[in-house]
Amino acid sequence: DAKTTQPTSMDCAEGRAANLPCNHSTISGNEYVYWYRQIHSQGPQYIIHGLKNNETNEMASLIITEDRKSSTLILPHATLRDTAVYYCIVRVASGATNKLIFGTGTLLAVQP
Amino acid sequence: EAQVTQNPRYLITVTGKKLTVTCSQNMNHEYMSWYRQDPGLGLRQIYYSMNVEVTDKGDVPEGYKVSRKEKRNFPLILESPSPNQTSLYFCASSPGTVVHSEAFFGQGTRLTVV
Repeated sequence: DAKTTQPTSMDCAEGRAANLPCNHSTISGNEYVYWYRQIHSQGPQYIIHGLKNNETNEMASLIITEDRKSSTLILPHATLRDTAVYYCIVRVASGATNKLIFGTGTLLAVQP
Repeated sequence: EAQVTQNPRYLITVTGKKLTVTCSQNMNHEYMSWYRQDPGLGLRQIYYSMNVEVTDKGDVPEGYKVSRKEKRNFPLILESPSPNQTSLYFCASSPGTVVHSEAFFGQGTRLTVV
């Protein structure tokens, strides 16, 4: 699975959009981008995933660049409860193995 | 409600005393796995199971055992715990046959071995 690079930490004001970047310059054509988050020692929570098109769900939007070498997770209106570590994971979506390789992630601190 | 349930949530034990951390999921998922999380090392996979009676080692399997006798349960067994197994443990499940599947994680078990 391709390696990802994320900033160690970011701040965001409550009510504003949080934009979390992720670099995955060695991504392969069949690898997907997944985002999970972990709120203070709780179990990681799935947010969204995508291949090359932008994706949106009730939690967030995922913007993937045309060359697929980077992506941005957008939380449109951040709340204090969105304070968490956000993990960007690149993996082959296959039933053969569902292992997730977590990096160090980005600690997003939403400020009141 | 779809969930993965781990027990216990907190455990303090002594070196060498066998223990089992249980994990149960109610989503009929084929794939289950165990991770440990340590400061500075992130989450690392210990063992995984593709289906009943099918288990395999992850990245850090030493000192652990697992079993998968039923689809819903995937217990983690520490036959002789040591202090270096003090960690935060997570069980996860996902529908193994679905290509774009999300993983569901339990709430974690914080284990301290003294």
